[in-house]
Amino acid sequence: SQQGEEDPQALSIQEGENATMNCSYKTSINNLQWYRQNSGRGLVHLILIRSNEREKHSGRLRVTLDTSKKSSSLLITASRAADTASYFCATDAEYGNKLVFGAGTILRVKS
Amino acid sequence: SQTIHQWPATLVQPVGSPLSLECTVEGTSNPNLYWYRQAAGRGLQLLFYSVGIGQISSEVPQNLSASRPQDRQFILSSKKLLLSDSGFYLCAWSVRRRRENSPLHFGNGTRLTVT
Repeated sequence: SQQGEEDPQALSIQEGENATMNCSYKTSINNLQWYRQNSGRGLVHLILIRSNEREKHSGRLRVTLDTSKKSSSLLITASRAADTASYFCATDAEYGNKLVFGAGTILRVKS
Repeated sequence: SQTIHQWPATLVQPVGSPLSLECTVEGTSNPNLYWYRQAAGRGLQLLFYSVGIGQISSEVPQNLSASRPQDRQFILSSKKLLLSDSGFYLCAWSVRRRRENSPLHFGNGTRLTVT
């Protein structure tokens, strides 16, 4: 079974608005990572947050992690049309060498 | 800088035909290598990963196999394709770390259609 599950499955917003995506997982983790995938392309790593961290920022991205609730959120502020993509969270299901991805959130930013 | 090459970009193959997808990484040594498959509108399914030459771990029992003949080369193969093998195949690499999974760097994928 998949370790991470994103919510919502799809999100449509206007340019300039904020977009929030959530990820829930089932077991203990070392870190949680967020990726973006443009249509028909490979995934691009956005941000990594470790299990002992609660919040992390990178440009317009803000990621939070709540290990007690086994959940994470990705916030994209002041969204742009170019942010239109699928966003995935990934966790290490067990120690070492592999990440398990959720089904993703499809974000559409309308200009 | 590191780069990853994956080819071909698209492939249409008949049922029962063989398959060989190749992935190479440049600019790094001793990477972890991965093959993922993505069905339409779905998340990624880990198929194989490798921590070194000749070391392959299989995640899903199926008619696919993987090999790592060189440090930075990862090959996905099948002797006889099934319709269910259609999908988007992604190769990825990561830096090997002892205590956590480092970020993955993906190729641009191969769109495989089995007819």
